[in-house]
Amino acid sequence: EVQLVESGGGLVQPGGSLRLSCAASGFVFNTYWMSWVRQAPGKGLEWVANIKRDGSEKNYVDSVKGRFTISRDNARNSLYLQMNSLKAEDAAVYYCARGLAAPDSWGLGTLVTVSS
Amino acid sequence: QSVLTQPPSVSAAPGQKVTISCSGSSSNIGNKYVSWYQQFPGTAPKLLIYDNNKRPSGIPDRFSGSKSGTSATLDITGLQTGDEADYYCGTWDTSLSAGVFGGGTKLTVL
Repeated sequence: EVQLVESGGGLVQPGGSLRLSCAASGFVFNTYWMSWVRQAPGKGLEWVANIKRDGSEKNYVDSVKGRFTISRDNARNSLYLQMNSLKAEDAAVYYCARGLAAPDSWGLGTLVTVSS
Repeated sequence: QSVLTQPPSVSAAPGQKVTISCSGSSSNIGNKYVSWYQQFPGTAPKLLIYDNNKRPSGIPDRFSGSKSGTSATLDITGLQTGDEADYYCGTWDTSLSAGVFGGGTKLTVL
């Protein structure tokens, strides 16, 4: 059974940083693209970033380019999202998801709150 | 403003059929596979349809998907009150080099 478990969310001040982690199990992690998708309170889904199987290719939505960095550790079956210069509009539930763009498996999400 | 356009809401009576549309362009739906998701409040999205019209194991055949040109459609037949949820379409956009989702459609089963 595919399991994706996010962690690292919390309350951060505007301009601050946060690192999200995702522990994957139940599948061969290094054979899949992985993505982060977020959902602001009461809003729809927004794809944030993805990373190729070996980490050699990364893509980002325009609104986070230069601020967020996606990475992975295939030896640890883990996915990460380093979020810097956080803004109020980055507040959302962040989902770790398996797949390049339209994922087939999702974690339960971790909540990021950006507020002073 | 979402790259993919969905109606904000649809409604139908139990037992009836509902269709949810997803409109895009040649850089996304026009040449990429479309997936559909179901999301209940406070829970993670669940994959309903992938590759335009395929159902993952465990998804009832009451749910079906199709694609024509730059638009995709999710059909739900034999509506049940338990189908009340938000539904999203998603795909890859080659011009943006980014994943894109529709704005979501809230289904009400009257």
